Amino acid sequence: AQSVTQLDSHVSVSEGTPVLLRCNYSSSYSPSLFWYVQHPNKGLQLLLKYTSAATLVKGINGFEAEFKKSETSFHLTKPSAHMSDAAEYFCVVSDDKIIFGKGTRLHILP
Amino acid sequence: DAGVIQSPRHEVTEMGQEVTLRCKPISGHNSLFWYRQTMMRGLELLIYFNNNVPIDDSGMPEDRFSAKMPNASFSTLKIQPSEPRDSAVYFCASSFAYGEHYGYTFGSGTRLTVV
Repeated sequence: AQSVTQLDSHVSVSEGTPVLLRCNYSSSYSPSLFWYVQHPNKGLQLLLKYTSAATLVKGINGFEAEFKKSETSFHLTKPSAHMSDAAEYFCVVSDDKIIFGKGTRLHILP
Repeated sequence: DAGVIQSPRHEVTEMGQEVTLRCKPISGHNSLFWYRQTMMRGLELLIYFNNNVPIDDSGMPEDRFSAKMPNASFSTLKIQPSEPRDSAVYFCASSFAYGEHYGYTFGSGTRLTVV
């Protein structure tokens, strides 16, 4: 059975410092993996997706994620946080079902 | 394209009333999903359609919930009768194909409050 685990429910970083949001998954097959962002009172927006091409995936707003099969991870990173990055981030795994992680709320400290 | 359009944005209703949420998917997308989001349970998939046909409704909480997709450009989620525990944000999403690497485009959601 597939599953997705976001290891941190909250992450706080200072503006201008790197961001790391962690995601581990389990899947019987080669899954598709996604990161979505949800700003307050908004819908979810696709940040990036991995679909068995390049393992390092670049998304919007300077985010990227690396698929590591040996570690079953798909962590989301950004070199330098901006205040506008404050939001909730969801890791999603999709093979025969679509499973959302519980979300990680990113706080940016001035 | 205007994206996935949901209406209403906010709905406040009294317990026992019928509630209908509406969704217009992106033109050309053939998969449509209804999700519910609460603080306690996060995002839950309620039902999804492929080519207007309900494929998996195992996430629908109970018989009070029903969903239809009469054509490729419109879907409804109905709750009858509504209860306070149904209060949540309901999202509709559409995709070019189910689960197949395309990602999903979400609407802005309907915030439902049942009092």
